[in-house]
This record gives sequence, C-alpha cells and structure tokens, in this order.
Amino acid sequence: SYELTQPPSVSVSPGQTARITCSGDALPKQYAYWYQQKPGQAPVLVIYKDSERPSGIPERFSGSSSGTTVTLTISGVQAEDEADYYCQSADSSGTIVVFGGGTKLTVL
Amino acid sequence: QVQLQESGPGLVKPSQTLSLTCTVSGGSISSGSYYWSWIRQPAGKGLEWIGRIYTSGSTNYNPSLKSRVTISVDTSKNQFSLKLSSVTAADTAVYYCARSQMAQNSEYFQHWGQGTLVTVSS
Repeated sequence: SYELTQPPSVSVSPGQTARITCSGDALPKQYAYWYQQKPGQAPVLVIYKDSERPSGIPERFSGSSSGTTVTLTISGVQAEDEADYYCQSADSSGTIVVFGGGTKLTVL
Repeated sequence: QVQLQESGPGLVKPSQTLSLTCTVSGGSISSGSYYWSWIRQPAGKGLEWIGRIYTSGSTNYNPSLKSRVTISVDTSKNQFSLKLSSVTAADTAVYYCARSQMAQNSEYFQHWGQGTLVTVSS
C-alpha cells in the first residue's frame, strides 16, 4: 500500500524556521496538503495544492514541492504553532487518500 | 459556512457493527462537487482515511478496511453515514466526518466535524 513518510518530531526555538518534510513516490504526480492538529481538536488545513494557503492561515506557513518530497515551512515560529502536522495526498490513481504518520512540532 | 456533526453510540461491543451519522448544516449535501468522507484517529496515533461517498452514491474505501465498511448518504436528511462491521479493540478511535474538495486528481479536507470517540469494549 502507498505510504507518505514524515519525521516523527521537529523542534525549533521561537522565531526560527521549522521545516517538516513528507516523502512519497506519487508526490510528483499528486498534490500534497498539510493539516495542523492541536490536542483535542480536529485537523485544520494550512496548505493545499502543494503551496497554496487557505484564507485565514498566517503568511508564515508555506509549502513547496521537489520530486518525491514536499515540505511545510513555518517561518518565525510562534508558541501557538506547537502542534501535530500531517501531510496528505493520494495514490497514483487518485482513488485512495493517504495521510503521513504526522510530525510533532515542539517550540522550545 | 458548512458545519458537520458526528453522532452515534460511544461504546460498541466487539464483533458488533459501529454505526455513525454525520449531519451537514449550512449547505445542501447535494450541492457542489464535494465528496463526503470518514476519517479516524486512534488515541495518540495518526489519521486514517476510511472512505468517501459522492452524492450520486458512488463510494471508495480504504483497501485495508474495505471488507468491513459501508458508507451511505441520505440527501433528504442532509446526512451521510458509516457502518463498520466486526469491530475489535483496534477500531477504538475518534471518528471524524469531513467534506473534501477535488483538486486535479486528488482531494483535500477543508471542513471537519469535531470528532466523536468510539470505544470498542465488552
């Protein structure tokens, strides 16, 4: 079955830049999406179509894609950004939705 | 603004069928080119897509759950539902319903319910 691979954890100091990667063989052909999830809450879409930002999401959130890896970048990290982040995409046929295992972002 | 709300039993016995309903408000479930999905999350673990339905009734399921899952839609009630049969403790999770929007050959979830915890235990 198709998988998306994320690092389990990323740590960064306030004001620094956090980068969270997601790898998958179908990513050159499929868009990637990113969700932020805080404890006890439903996920929130922060990036869609690799690099688009929904309305209401701060400009410090950005996304990029290169080959089989996509990256969520949070510039000038704030304490409120501490959360779990999940990438999501689809298999090569577009039929099956796949989530990455999630990355816990810790703001030191 | 569309809103989704899950409902159903919070406790299900092993080997029985888990049944949940998602009620959509703020818009018709039949309008627009949207898919309606179920996603679950065991405590402390990641998100797992269960499956989706289009208002035409066409469905797609996660291959790992396909033999046990049925998703249906009731447009007259603006609801869609999940049935998961032969449950075990491994099916204990928070279950989310969500509306997805297509982008080229994939989809993304911009609207989620708050989630409902279902525990499988005797």
